[in-house]
Amino acid sequence: DAKTTQPPSMECAEGRAANLPCNHSTISGNEYVYWYRQIHSQGPQYIIHGLKNNETNEMASLIITEDRKSSTLILPHATLRDTAVYYCIVRKTFNKFYFGSGTKLNVKP
Amino acid sequence: DSGVTQTPKHLITATGQRVTLRCSPRSGDLSVYWYQQSLDQGLQFLIQYYNGEERAKGNILERFSAQQFPDLHSELNLSSLELGDSALYFCASSVEPSDEQFFGPGTRLTVL
Repeated sequence: DAKTTQPPSMECAEGRAANLPCNHSTISGNEYVYWYRQIHSQGPQYIIHGLKNNETNEMASLIITEDRKSSTLILPHATLRDTAVYYCIVRKTFNKFYFGSGTKLNVKP
Repeated sequence: DSGVTQTPKHLITATGQRVTLRCSPRSGDLSVYWYQQSLDQGLQFLIQYYNGEERAKGNILERFSAQQFPDLHSELNLSSLELGDSALYFCASSVEPSDEQFFGPGTRLTVL
């Protein structure tokens, strides 16, 4: 599976959009981009995933660049409850998930 | 609430002992996964089962074993426990191996 690179930490003001970047320059054509988050020591929570098109659901939007070498997770209106570690994972179908270090997002009032 | 349940929530035991962690997947999910998260570290994939059969192995020690039963619940057995085995153990499930995984609340194991 391709490796991912994420900034170790980010800050965002409450009510503003949080844009979390992920670099996956070695991604191959059949690998999906997944985003999970982990609030404190709870079980990771699935957010969104995509292959090459942009995706949106009730939690977030996922923007994947045309060359698929990077992506951005967008939380449109961050709240204090969005403070968490966000993991970007690149995964082939049927392959296991590898969680890296993630980005620690701190949403400030 | 993801629908995945794990018991017990907390477990404290001594070195050299053996423990069993239990996971019940979401209704309808055939795949079960086990992960270990040590203090301030990322999640390490241990093992995956699909419909009762082992499907993939990760960084699982020989002292650890798992199985998935006909009713699809799974158990992770940890034996000859060492201090370094203290960690959060998460179970996740999915309908098919290609689908997104839903995680349980975890079992916190403390080995003294």
